[in-house]
Amino acid sequence: AQSVAQPEDQVNVAEGNPLTVKCTYSVSGNPYLFWYVQYPNRGLQFLLKYITGDNLVKGSYGFEAEFNKSQTSFHLKKPSALVSDSALYFCAVRDPNTGFQKLVFGTGTRLLVSP
Amino acid sequence: NAGVTQTPKFQVLKTGQSMTLQCAQDMNHEYMSWYRQDPGMGLRLIHYSVGAGITDQGEVPNGYNVSRSTTEDFPLRLLSAAPSQTSVYFCASSYSGDSGNTIYFGEGSWLTVV
Repeated sequence: AQSVAQPEDQVNVAEGNPLTVKCTYSVSGNPYLFWYVQYPNRGLQFLLKYITGDNLVKGSYGFEAEFNKSQTSFHLKKPSALVSDSALYFCAVRDPNTGFQKLVFGTGTRLLVSP
Repeated sequence: NAGVTQTPKFQVLKTGQSMTLQCAQDMNHEYMSWYRQDPGMGLRLIHYSVGAGITDQGEVPNGYNVSRSTTEDFPLRLLSAAPSQTSVYFCASSYSGDSGNTIYFGEGSWLTVV
């Protein structure tokens, strides 16, 4: 069965500094990997995904993520953090051999960007 | 384009009451699903549908019922609410033509069972 681990409950970074939110996964086949962001009292917004191809994936709002098959990781990155990036971030994985709606989520990482 | 629309946004129920969370999407997506979000547990799949008339159970289906009579609508019914069903509920949709089948979420329904 697939699983996702987000080892940090919270990440603190100063505005203008680079940020990394970590994610590792476990899946039997080649994974489909996703990052979502959730602002307070809002739904999840899709940021980016890795399906196949280039290991560096670029997404919305200047975020990118690097797929590393040997380390089974899919860390979310941004070169220069903004205060408005403060939110809850979820990594998710889907085994392409399972149902289309069966995303497995990590427990989330709260990102706090200080001015 | 409204996307995925959920109602109500907030609801308080008494133990034993029943209710229906409504979900509609206007993107003509084949696939729809319901997730619940609990602190420290991420999101977990309750039920999903791959098309009108077809539904299946997810990871945590007990106490919930779904039906899919149209492509657009996918209501979630709580049969007899329990405090353990206090959670945030998200409806989602996707379609097969999207590479990787990206799932798009509604704004959520905050449910408290007292």
